[in-house]
Amino acid sequence: TQLLEQSPQFLSIQEGENLTVYCNSSSVFSSLQWYRQEPGEGPVLLVTVVTGGEVKKLKRLTFQFGDARKDSSLHITAAQPGDTGLYLCAGGPGYALNFGKGTSLLVTP
Amino acid sequence: DAGVIQSPRHEVTEMGQEVTLRCKPISGHNSLFWYRQTMMRGLELLIYFNNNVPIDDSGMPEDRFSAKMPNASFSTLKIQPSEPRDSAVYFCASSSGTGPSPLHFGNGTRLTVT
Repeated sequence: TQLLEQSPQFLSIQEGENLTVYCNSSSVFSSLQWYRQEPGEGPVLLVTVVTGGEVKKLKRLTFQFGDARKDSSLHITAAQPGDTGLYLCAGGPGYALNFGKGTSLLVTP
Repeated sequence: DAGVIQSPRHEVTEMGQEVTLRCKPISGHNSLFWYRQTMMRGLELLIYFNNNVPIDDSGMPEDRFSAKMPNASFSTLKIQPSEPRDSAVYFCASSSGTGPSPLHFGNGTRLTVT
């Protein structure tokens, strides 16, 4: 099993602050996906990164895949209360994904 | 598109009882996954199917757990007999299974075994 470690586990910030969360592994992944999960719902895909060093932007969210394809980061600029949720990274040898335990983000007004 | 549909949303049962969780994947998706989520262990892959055939069930914790996919539009996860440590949220997800395709999750079944 390819393990994914996410940090920090919990993050509480105020609206307008910037933050970065990390996803690390000792394994090489062909791709990594980031999901956001809200209470009472299933995870929803935010982005897939495929190429080492790749950077993808989704409005105020910036995702980066490490050059060695073992790690990834998610940076949120000017966080808003609507960004609150559990952020999960996922990867796998095929299309059966293993998930990290996630970073639980709380953004307060 | 209706998305992945799971039932029931909540299930409370007593230890020793049989529990059956149900899932209808997105039409046209050929891969189906069952995950379990707890605070301690996060999201764990239990089993996945491709074209209705079980491909990997190494994540199924014990023989008390079984899963079936009799056709492309329906799958079940059964626990018999249930135990308190089975309490968790169980998610079903489907994907088109080509390349790094996204998983589409249902809203889960929250299982409580007392």
